[in-house]
Amino acid sequence: EAGVAQSPRYKIIEKRQSVAFWCNPISGHATLYWYQQILGQGPKLLIQFQNNGVVDDSQLPKDRFSAERLKGVDSTLKIQPAKLEDSAVYLCASSLAQGHTGELFFGEGSRLTVL
Amino acid sequence: AQSVAQPEDQVNVAEGNPLTVKCTYSVSGNPYLFWYVQYPNRGLQFLLKYITGDNLVKGSYGFEAEFNKSQTSFHLKKPSALVSDSALYFCAVRDTQAAGNKLTFGGGTRVLVKP
Repeated sequence: EAGVAQSPRYKIIEKRQSVAFWCNPISGHATLYWYQQILGQGPKLLIQFQNNGVVDDSQLPKDRFSAERLKGVDSTLKIQPAKLEDSAVYLCASSLAQGHTGELFFGEGSRLTVL
Repeated sequence: AQSVAQPEDQVNVAEGNPLTVKCTYSVSGNPYLFWYVQYPNRGLQFLLKYITGDNLVKGSYGFEAEFNKSQTSFHLKKPSALVSDSALYFCAVRDTQAAGNKLTFGGGTRVLVKP
């Protein structure tokens, strides 16, 4: 079974530039998550999708971050314009359904460096 | 609001000795608890979870965790640590009374197993 795919693995940009990350979840997984992991900290949920609908985006900085999952499968996370403090690893995860008991399956992450 | 605390930034242990990584949580309802491990430049890998039933949960790679409701803890243990267990460990919680199924992570504990 293929895992969660993310690209690019690494990205370096200047502040005020834009960047986009792509995620393809495990086939059949209805729920998709984007987490931000700053160096030395635990992952923080940015946005959660159930199929193509948003379940939770309370911690997404909506003035600069956006995410979509138009067909309920793969997803894109965009940052525009980027700030220095956006330097982090962006982790995508998926799970079977919006149940409380299931574990999340994570991709390897996209590491963003903002200069 | 749900939260997780991992009081130790780093745990050092000699190979062959028992390993314990501490975790405490706070939720409004009942908790669903998870442990994940992260190796360098990799995503998070699921180790084990507590949903209900026996307070002692066994997981991957010889790890186990004990749920203690009165102490609101879910410590991760391994009877005999290996050098290959050196990694970053994250505890996470879901609140069964919270909308959606948001998974909140602790700040992580780095484990260093010395030969």
